[in-house]
Amino acid sequence: AQTVTQSQPEMSVQEAETVTLSCTYDTSESDYYLFWYKQPPSRQMILVIRQEAYKQQNATENRFSVNFQKAAKSFSLKISDSQLGDAAMYFCAYRSLGGATNKLIFGTGTLLAVQP
Amino acid sequence: EADIYQTPRYLVIGTGKKITLECSQTMGHDKMYWYQQDPGMELHLIHYSYGVNSTEKGDLSSESTVSRIRTEHFPLTLESARPSHTSQYLCASSAVGSSYEQYFGPGTRLTVT
Repeated sequence: AQTVTQSQPEMSVQEAETVTLSCTYDTSESDYYLFWYKQPPSRQMILVIRQEAYKQQNATENRFSVNFQKAAKSFSLKISDSQLGDAAMYFCAYRSLGGATNKLIFGTGTLLAVQP
Repeated sequence: EADIYQTPRYLVIGTGKKITLECSQTMGHDKMYWYQQDPGMELHLIHYSYGVNSTEKGDLSSESTVSRIRTEHFPLTLESARPSHTSQYLCASSAVGSSYEQYFGPGTRLTVT
């Protein structure tokens, strides 16, 4: 079974600085998707960024980018130029490519605080 | 903003009551999901549906039940609420196809006293 581990329960960053959130996963599959979701205090989960395992190029979405190391099974999220609105719980998630469920397997989350 | 809605947002109810948590989406997604999330913890899948009249149990055992009579509606029911059911319940939906993301509702925070 696949597992997702986030070893940083809490992180803090100064506004305008850069922070990196860690995520490792375990799987025997060769093709899969990885996601970072953000859950702000209002509690609605939104997708931040997605990475297909078969793509070597790291995904980027504006100030958000990932460092995907497939051999090491590592999937970290880098937030550049941090803003107050980035404060939230961040979840790393895994999804198999095959199967009909499309279910997500989540890590335990990292609570990010942004200091003004 | 995703068009997926959950009601109520907050519910405090006594032990033994029957409750239904509502979830609706207007995106025409075939797949819908219910996750349970305890404070500061990860989400666990408790139910999912491939489409109308299709429901399956998820990874985490739950005493709740679900139904899918219409594409847009995926309610979750607890026949007799207990304090152990106190949690956050998140509904999500996605289109068919592995590349499609899941869209989440705002959640229902349930407290059973």
